[in-house]
Amino acid sequence: EAQVTQNPRYLITVTGKKLTVTCSQNMNHEYMSWYRQDPGLGLRQIYYSMNVEATDKGDVPEGYKVSRKEKRNFPLILESPSPNQTSLYFCASSWGGRTDTQYFGPGTRLTVL
Amino acid sequence: AQSVTQPDIHITVSEGASLELRCNYSYGATPYLFWYVQSPGQGLQLLLKYFSGDTLVQGIKGFEAEFKRSQSSFNLRKPSVHWSDAAEYFCAVGARGNTDKLIFGTGTRLQVFP
Repeated sequence: EAQVTQNPRYLITVTGKKLTVTCSQNMNHEYMSWYRQDPGLGLRQIYYSMNVEATDKGDVPEGYKVSRKEKRNFPLILESPSPNQTSLYFCASSWGGRTDTQYFGPGTRLTVL
Repeated sequence: AQSVTQPDIHITVSEGASLELRCNYSYGATPYLFWYVQSPGQGLQLLLKYFSGDTLVQGIKGFEAEFKRSQSSFNLRKPSVHWSDAAEYFCAVGARGNTDKLIFGTGTRLQVFP
């Protein structure tokens, strides 16, 4: 089954404790992206990647890192999480970028205390 | 820079009634336009998209949207709503060019009463 998977689905952590949210797709998509969803703000793009070893900042990249060492994986790293990063995070992938249909993962709800 | 506005935060309709969700965008040229739906506890799913050509776009689940350049709008419509359409709907705008940013609206939550 074609899908985008994220792990973990739920995470509660404390300020400053490094964490990684994994994202994997099995559709051989070139493009992958991370978004955060906050009430009243919709989805905002954090980072995106057009291909392996090619990543770019979205609209809200501060406090986040990403890597794209393999086509299928695009982990989101929070080196020192803060409470303002409490949010719902979505990973998405597509064949050729934002203009192609993006397939979204189920989301990761992160709480930073 | 492009932006998108969804004026209605929450809409309630009766099952079988018609639906129109509003989306207005700001961009200097014709953007790429999308409607996504998010069912409770799920990720987003593309309903339809507009790039060029016919301004009336058909999507999945019986939805359609019309691009109106003069009004900078891309409203989503459905002639008869089903209870399963209850979800949150997001309009999104992508700029033409070599950047890959996609700007989402704040969403409209649709509630359907039997």
